[in-house]
Amino acid sequence: GDSVTQMEGPVTLSEEAFLTINCTYTATGYPSLFWYVQYPGEGLQLLLKATKADDKGSNKGFEATYRKETTSFHLEKGSVQVSDSAVYFCALRNAGNMLTFGGGTRLMVKP
Amino acid sequence: GAVVSQHPSWVICKSGTSVKIECRSLDFQATTMFWYRQFPKQSLMLMATSNEGSKATYEQGVEKDKFLINHASLTLSTLTVTSAHPEDSSFYICSASPGTADEQYFGPGTRLTVT
Repeated sequence: GDSVTQMEGPVTLSEEAFLTINCTYTATGYPSLFWYVQYPGEGLQLLLKATKADDKGSNKGFEATYRKETTSFHLEKGSVQVSDSAVYFCALRNAGNMLTFGGGTRLMVKP
Repeated sequence: GAVVSQHPSWVICKSGTSVKIECRSLDFQATTMFWYRQFPKQSLMLMATSNEGSKATYEQGVEKDKFLINHASLTLSTLTVTSAHPEDSSFYICSASPGTADEQYFGPGTRLTVT
């Protein structure tokens, strides 16, 4: 079945540091790929998505590129802020609109 | 737009009682709603998918008689945890989608504690 693996956290960075959260997937066919963010006490929010190979999703300074050859969708941001502290989930959507989530990575950004 | 609410946001109940959680799409009609369970520091696990007016489809290992899902209208789905036990304590999250191939919009979650 489909699965998503992402790096375990927590990831602790200083403000303005470069962020990478790795995500790889296993799926049949051609899934769409997503990054969701969960701020403390809130529900999941879609951060960015890519629907086909080589697409780059971007939002709020975050970006991720759909790499079919390496089955990866790593999340990056050039300069993180304290307000980026949250849990980040990589996910894929295959047939039937069902999402399969990775385990989540907690990011903590210190001033 | 695309706001999904859940009620209550947290609930404490005694073992053996039942608890109902509501999920509402506030500004769109949700053809499909999903219910997830999230354990501490873990990912979301899909419990069931419900389409308005039809029976929910449960994931393998989820007891349909314990977790009753009703999707009676295009803006409301309910999850009832029947005869709750401490192991049912968890964070329950719903999401709603306007269509089968559309985005899922997530509610803020409901924290259930069974004592």
